[in-house]
Amino acid sequence: QQPVQSPQAVILREGEDAVINCSSSKALYSVHWYRQKHGEAPVFLMILLKGGEQKGHDKISASFNEKKQQSSLYLTASQLSYSGTYFCGTEAAGADGLTFGKGTHLIIQP
Amino acid sequence: EAGVAQSPRYKIIEKRQSVAFWCNPISGHATLYWYQQILGQGPKLLIQFQNNGVVDDSQLPKDRFSAERLKGVDSTLKIQPAKLEDSAVYLCASSLDWTSGRAGHFGPGTRLTVT
Repeated sequence: QQPVQSPQAVILREGEDAVINCSSSKALYSVHWYRQKHGEAPVFLMILLKGGEQKGHDKISASFNEKKQQSSLYLTASQLSYSGTYFCGTEAAGADGLTFGKGTHLIIQP
Repeated sequence: EAGVAQSPRYKIIEKRQSVAFWCNPISGHATLYWYQQILGQGPKLLIQFQNNGVVDDSQLPKDRFSAERLKGVDSTLKIQPAKLEDSAVYLCASSLDWTSGRAGHFGPGTRLTVT
């Protein structure tokens, strides 16, 4: 079942913060976050494994709430290069391929 | 480290014609995936290989789509015959092995237009 991402779109000024959420109705083993720019392939950002760990990558971090089956991606002090569509991909037990959400469009304005 | 390679990058065909896409995964990656991404949507898994064996092809329209990975390295995805709704970007991804939580790395994709 496809995870639900929110919001569908966000427009920010450079330097502002954003939060993107990803929820699933299924029990998950992991959540994968990707960013895709127009006409390009999705680029891997990070994986969150069950256990509620939080990860960071420069000014982009994410958390995974196993009880709620929800992951959030945090972008702080956003830069112009952060613009793109963010996808969460969820993995249920069994090492299956990912099921992706519909994406969140992020536009950063100068 | 070289990334996932795909060819061709673009393909335009008429409906009912056949088309094939090629993927070369990252060296040493045992797991290979084919995804279909329709404009404005997230990628949808079509088929997953572990070496040369199929792990999951539950979402592959088998009446028209086929895929193989004969030697456990390169893979080919074929559509025969194509329909208008097959217009999409076909993405190949690979990961180190078939273990939960492994990062998948995508290739540049093949953009297919069916007219």
